[in-house]
Amino acid sequence: EAGVAQSPRYKIIEKRQSVAFWCNPISGHATLYWYQQILGQGPKLLIQFQNNGVVDDSQLPKDRFSAERLKGVDSTLKIQPAKLEDSAVYLCASSLDAWTSGGYNEQFFGPGTRLTVL
Amino acid sequence: AQSVTQLGSHVSVSEGALVLLRCNYSSSVPPYLFWYVQYPNQGLQLLLKYTTGATLVKGINGFEAEFKKSETSFHLTKPSAHMSDAAEYFCAVKGGAGSYQLTFGKGTKLSVIP
Repeated sequence: EAGVAQSPRYKIIEKRQSVAFWCNPISGHATLYWYQQILGQGPKLLIQFQNNGVVDDSQLPKDRFSAERLKGVDSTLKIQPAKLEDSAVYLCASSLDAWTSGGYNEQFFGPGTRLTVL
Repeated sequence: AQSVTQLGSHVSVSEGALVLLRCNYSSSVPPYLFWYVQYPNQGLQLLLKYTTGATLVKGINGFEAEFKKSETSFHLTKPSAHMSDAAEYFCAVKGGAGSYQLTFGKGTKLSVIP
């Protein structure tokens, strides 16, 4: 079974530029998550999708970050414009439907995209 | 609100020695607790989880953790460290009722000395 795919793996941009990250979850996984992992910290959830709907985006800086999952499969996270403090690894994760199980479904993580903002 | 504190950002052990990584949590509801491992340039992999039931949880690669409600702890242990255990380990707690958000600790980097 293929894992969560992310691209690109690395990206270097200058501040005020735009950048986009792509994620393809495990086939059949209804729930998709984007996390931001700043160096020396644990991952922080930015946004959670259930199929193509947003479940939780309370920690997404909406003035510069946006995300979509139009067909309920792959997803794109965009930053526009980027700031120095956006330098981090952006992790995508997916799980089986988080709701119907009545409990917790394991999140499977992709390898991440390392963003450096100069 | 849920939170996790991992004591020690860096732990070094000798190969064959006991591994003990500490995690304390704060939760307003009965917690679901997790340990993840992250190898360099890779995503996170679930080691083990506690949801309900038995408080001693066994995971992959010989790791186990014990949920102690009275101490609000969920420490990770392995009897004998192997070189391949060198990685960063994250403790996490699930959000409150109706939430499936994970709150992670800052991580503990484990080094194994030959």
